[in-house]
Amino acid sequence: RKEVEQDPGPFNVPEGATVAFNCTYSNSASQSFFWYRQDCRKEPKLLMSVYSSGNEDGRFTAQLNRASQYISLLIRDSKLSDSATYLCVVNMGRETSYGKLTFGQGTILTVHP
Amino acid sequence: DGGITQSPKYLFRKEGQNVTLSCEQNLNHDAMYWYRQDPGQGLRLIYYSQIVNDFQKGDIAEGYSVSREKKESFPLTVTSAQKNPTAFYLCASSPGGGQPQHFGDGTRLSIL
Repeated sequence: RKEVEQDPGPFNVPEGATVAFNCTYSNSASQSFFWYRQDCRKEPKLLMSVYSSGNEDGRFTAQLNRASQYISLLIRDSKLSDSATYLCVVNMGRETSYGKLTFGQGTILTVHP
Repeated sequence: DGGITQSPKYLFRKEGQNVTLSCEQNLNHDAMYWYRQDPGQGLRLIYYSQIVNDFQKGDIAEGYSVSREKKESFPLTVTSAQKNPTAFYLCASSPGGGQPQHFGDGTRLSIL
């Protein structure tokens, strides 16, 4: 089993749609969780951290389910500019002092007119 | 502006040649990292450093070397022992303690 696993997609949705991505992680001791966004041939950029209570940032909502070891990202009212690869990122927890992160392979989203 | 600067943006390596990728940050972050990304794949950790004069191997360190003589700088050398160096190389930094990492804009390395 991969340490961090995502559905690679691609997800093709029309503008205005709601789309959700899930990600599972293998280490129950994992401490921190993030979603990054990566545009084609660019560096990853932090989209949002994921907190135990769930958190929202505008059209984006992140949820964490520790019991089932998965995190999710919900995008409402999709825009063309949301087209990108979304990376699920987990701090696996054993050595948090240096913040080693493990990246999923990414989920590709394409929003079309 | 604070950030991470990688150079060069594009680099070509000849057979048997060592090349060095630069990474500089002015965010005052303690931890720095090097990743490799191949087309259609996720990021894989090459080396990381928690503090000056200390660094550790990541998951795919063979054929690479690093140094951390200054807090701001974490150069990566791709040696001739790395037989498949063509990839997108990303440098990142973070304050540590499980906080998110911030990335430079990467270096694309190809073989001539």
